[in-house]
Amino acid sequence: DAKTTQPPSMDCAEGRAANLPCNHSTISGNEYVYWYRQIHSQGPQYIIHGLKNNETNEMASLIITEDRKSSTLILPHATLRDTAVYYCIVRGLNAGGTSYGKLTFGQGTILTVHP
Amino acid sequence: GAVVSQHPSRVICKSGTSVKIECRSLDFQATTMFWYRQFPKKSLMLMATSNEGSKATYEQGVEKDKFLINHASLTLSTLTVTSAHPEDSSFYICSATRSTDTQYFGPGTRLTVL
Repeated sequence: DAKTTQPPSMDCAEGRAANLPCNHSTISGNEYVYWYRQIHSQGPQYIIHGLKNNETNEMASLIITEDRKSSTLILPHATLRDTAVYYCIVRGLNAGGTSYGKLTFGQGTILTVHP
Repeated sequence: GAVVSQHPSRVICKSGTSVKIECRSLDFQATTMFWYRQFPKKSLMLMATSNEGSKATYEQGVEKDKFLINHASLTLSTLTVTSAHPEDSSFYICSATRSTDTQYFGPGTRLTVL
């Protein structure tokens, strides 16, 4: 799976949009971009994923560049409860090409939302 | 989203004893479950991949005889840490998925070995 690069930390004011960037310049055509977050001492929480098109759900929006080499996770109105480590992960097919396999977690971005 | 539970949420045991951690998918059938370990201030590291009814596949460097994984049904996988030692103290997290679907994570189990 392609590696990802994220800034180690970011700050955001409560109520403002949080834009978290991710670089995945070696991504291949069948690899998805996944975003998870982990609040302290809890298991990771799935946020959103996408392949080519931009995606939106009740939690966030995912903007993927046309060349797919980078993406941005947008939390439209950050709250204090959004303070967490955010992981951008590229997930591809397993060796047999039959299913999408394991997730490889990097260091992520520590997002701190302040009042 | 799908719900995955873990039990216990935290456990303290003496060195040399074995500890079993359960992972359950509550509202879906999980063909594959994964076990991760996380040390303080570190990222998650995959330990093993478990498919229902077959032997688990362990990542390089993970001792299969020390970390026993059983995936007996489509909703339950167990991780047993055998002869636990203080260096096994960690946060153990499972995830579950339906083949090509998204992985959903449990809340984690904090293991402390005295």
